[in-house]
Amino acid sequence: DAKTTQPPSMDCAEGRAANLPCNHSTISGNEYVYWYRQIHSQGPQYIIHGLKNNETNEMASLIITEDRKSSTLILPHATLRDTAVYYCIVRPGTNNDMRFGAGTRLTVKP
Amino acid sequence: DSGVTQTPKHLITATGQRVTLRCSPRSGDLSVYWYQQSLDQGLQFLIQYYNGEERAKGNILERFSAQQFPDLHSELNLSSLELGDSALYFCASRGSGANVLTFGAGSRLTVL
Repeated sequence: DAKTTQPPSMDCAEGRAANLPCNHSTISGNEYVYWYRQIHSQGPQYIIHGLKNNETNEMASLIITEDRKSSTLILPHATLRDTAVYYCIVRPGTNNDMRFGAGTRLTVKP
Repeated sequence: DSGVTQTPKHLITATGQRVTLRCSPRSGDLSVYWYQQSLDQGLQFLIQYYNGEERAKGNILERFSAQQFPDLHSELNLSSLELGDSALYFCASRGSGANVLTFGAGSRLTVL
């Protein structure tokens, strides 16, 4: 399984873009990058995932480098409600256990 | 409401006791996952079931067991409880296709 490395914490000003990095230098060709977040003591929430192309949905954008060794989750206009722990997970495409690391604690400040 | 239902929401019990946590997955989802999250700790993957069969096992103690029933609901049984078993227990379900998990609100277990 490819391992991921994320900074333990980050701050972001409300209304600004939050850019959360993730390193996954040992990623395999069949492994996707998944992002989830967990707002304090709530169940984690799926955000976005991708294989090699950049992806965008109503919540965020995912930018994956061409060599796929790192990625960035972008929250375009962070709000206070985006304060959470963000998890980057690298796993094969389907029907696999999902194991969460320590993640990045994002604090959005007014 | 995520569509994944966990009961009970809160449970307080004593050391040495046994409890059962229940999870009803989203309609149509065949996979169920169980996770444990102790205070200020990360999410620890315990076990995964797919259509009634165990698919993957993580850091699940021998005192813990789980199963998925024909109607696809799942139960996590915790026995000989210790103080350290106090935690949030999350269930998640996954439909066919990509590893997009939908989590329930969790069951908070307190062992006194």
